[in-house]
Amino acid sequence: QVQLQESGPGLVQPSETLSLTCTVSSDSISDYYWSWIRQAPGRGLEWIGYISYSGGTNYNPSLKSRLTLSLDTSKNQFSLKLTSVTAADTAVYYCTRGFTGFDPWGQGTLVTVSS
Amino acid sequence: SYVLTQPPSVSVAPGKTARLTCGGNDIRSKSVHWYQQKPGQAPVLVMYDDSDRPSGIPERFSGSNSGNTATLTINRVEAGDEADYYCQVWDLSSDHRGVFGGGTKLTVL
Repeated sequence: QVQLQESGPGLVQPSETLSLTCTVSSDSISDYYWSWIRQAPGRGLEWIGYISYSGGTNYNPSLKSRLTLSLDTSKNQFSLKLTSVTAADTAVYYCTRGFTGFDPWGQGTLVTVSS
Repeated sequence: SYVLTQPPSVSVAPGKTARLTCGGNDIRSKSVHWYQQKPGQAPVLVMYDDSDRPSGIPERFSGSNSGNTATLTINRVEAGDEADYYCQVWDLSSDHRGVFGGGTKLTVL
């Protein structure tokens, strides 16, 4: 059964870059689309973007200027980089499979933007 | 951009039927997916493509989509169904993007 696990710093300084990696097990990232979704504390879900098995990407327009998604097929991982972060980027970040109808999800990782 | 509207809260007694709605302009033309999120946990897909249940989801869960409203119906509600439920679609308008509703908190009385 496929499993996803997010990893990365839990604390990021304002104006710095938030970097997260999702490691996929029991499945090949070369076979699917992969997405990131976030949830600010006490708020709803926000779609961040997806990357396809071939490396094609689609980003939330509200984040597009700061966002980069990438794949590392040799490690069966995909990654997120969000630049120039502010407190508004504080959230639990989830990685998940698919570009819609997301399943399954990683457990999520809380990233706090604070000095 | 496309907007999905969910009531903030729904309450239902155990054993009764809960109907969670998701409103959107001509939503019937889109495939609607539903997620259940319990406190401190990641969301779980409970319905996809309007009315298909992933493996492991009880038959008590069903979905429909018509007009401007999609509905997730939970029959014979149990205490363990208490959670936040989010609907989601893929918006194929000018900016292709995933869209979530604001979520409904289901309380089992």
